[in-house]
Amino acid sequence: GAGVSQSPSNKVTEKGKDVELRCDPISGHTALYWYRQRLGQGLEFLIYFQGNSAPDKSGLPSDRFSAERTGESVSTLTIQRTQQEDSAVYLCASSRLSGANTGELFFGEGSRLTVL
Amino acid sequence: AQSVTQLGSHVSVSEGALVLLRCNYSSSVPPYLFWYVQYPNQGLQLLLKYTTGATLVKGINGFEAEFKKSETSFHLTKPSAHMSDAAEYFCAVRGSGTYKYIFGTGTRLKVLA
Repeated sequence: GAGVSQSPSNKVTEKGKDVELRCDPISGHTALYWYRQRLGQGLEFLIYFQGNSAPDKSGLPSDRFSAERTGESVSTLTIQRTQQEDSAVYLCASSRLSGANTGELFFGEGSRLTVL
Repeated sequence: AQSVTQLGSHVSVSEGALVLLRCNYSSSVPPYLFWYVQYPNQGLQLLLKYTTGATLVKGINGFEAEFKKSETSFHLTKPSAHMSDAAEYFCAVRGSGTYKYIFGTGTRLKVLA
């Protein structure tokens, strides 16, 4: 597609359940990022993938959070045993790291997660 | 380590007045600097960026920002605010040699009629 696509756009779950969020980046973008945006707050870095390099997981808040990406395609962010403090909008972005528009992050519209 | 500080979580200006949103960064290497805007219920979009070259950068919708290395600042300005500028603005930094982007906490701009 033309832009970064995220699904689901909204997810309501019960505390303790696992959730999986999906991000489909722009074709040809080698870098993919996940951020968390809690209500009224800024963007909190979670993880990024760049090509075939080992991902930078330094922002994952706990071992309940994990993410995978196959090659330069779709990524999934998994949150196990969800807690109420996990409620947030999870934003995915992709970037071309060479050529035109180098350095610009293209964001999806986010997945809003509500944990009851 | 990189970090970004945005002074003022909320800024109000009158329509037609100067917009000034402040951003200071810390980076151990020459940074790449960005401003993104988030309109209500929408994703973030790039306003402008500084990578190398001219320190005064012009972006979309009449916004511009100046990279001042001596002040470690990258403040965003617009000479005359428009009602449509009401949104949340985020400053971000990326150090050269890394692909990690760190965002500030955002400044919500309100434009008064």
